[in-house]
Amino acid sequence: EVQLLESGGGLVQPGGSLRLSCAASGFAFKNYAMSWVRQAPGKGLHWVATVSGFGDRTYYGQSVQDRFTISRDNSNNTVYLQMNSLRAEDAAVYFCAKDRGAGTFDTFDLWGQGTMVTVSS
Amino acid sequence: QLVLTQSPSASASLGASVKVTCTLSNEHSDYAIAWHQQQPVKGPRYVMKLNSDGTYIKGDGIPDRFSGSSSGAERSLIISDLQSEDEGDYYCQTWTTGIRVFGGGTKVTVL
Repeated sequence: EVQLLESGGGLVQPGGSLRLSCAASGFAFKNYAMSWVRQAPGKGLHWVATVSGFGDRTYYGQSVQDRFTISRDNSNNTVYLQMNSLRAEDAAVYFCAKDRGAGTFDTFDLWGQGTMVTVSS
Repeated sequence: QLVLTQSPSASASLGASVKVTCTLSNEHSDYAIAWHQQQPVKGPRYVMKLNSDGTYIKGDGIPDRFSGSSSGAERSLIISDLQSEDEGDYYCQTWTTGIRVFGGGTKVTVL
């Protein structure tokens, strides 16, 4: 079955760290760039970060640059998001998403169900 | 700056048609976009990639009732024969080198 399964969300204090994971199955994982997209409560979708298929190129949204790190392990078909120096405004459901085409950089054709991150003291 | 603008809401009766529109910032009027559907309490679902010439590529399992059109900087998603399961939020999304951008979303209500 083609799917993405996120994990690692939870409650963290402001200034703390958390690592999210996304396990992929059912497709040739290493051929596709992978991304994280978040959705704050009651708000819209907001792109966070993207990593290329080989993991050699990464891209970040301005609000998370220098605090978050996206990476991947192609031997385990997993993509990660290391989140440091967390702020209240980082609280959201975080979705993992697969790029539509191998080697392209446009949109996402597969989404996970999301994992919730709460930032509070 | 790459910006996508959507109306907050749209509605139509069961079985009717609804058009959801996304407008690109002026200097990006030839960009392609994508539409994603998010039903209540669910993850998003890819609907289609819509090019500036009006051609589109739909995701697996997306019904024929869903189509797209383009005119200038406007990109539209048209849902014909509206069904109750079409209710939800619809987001347009575009991209340029190293950046992905979402519109604010349109809530579609089936009357």
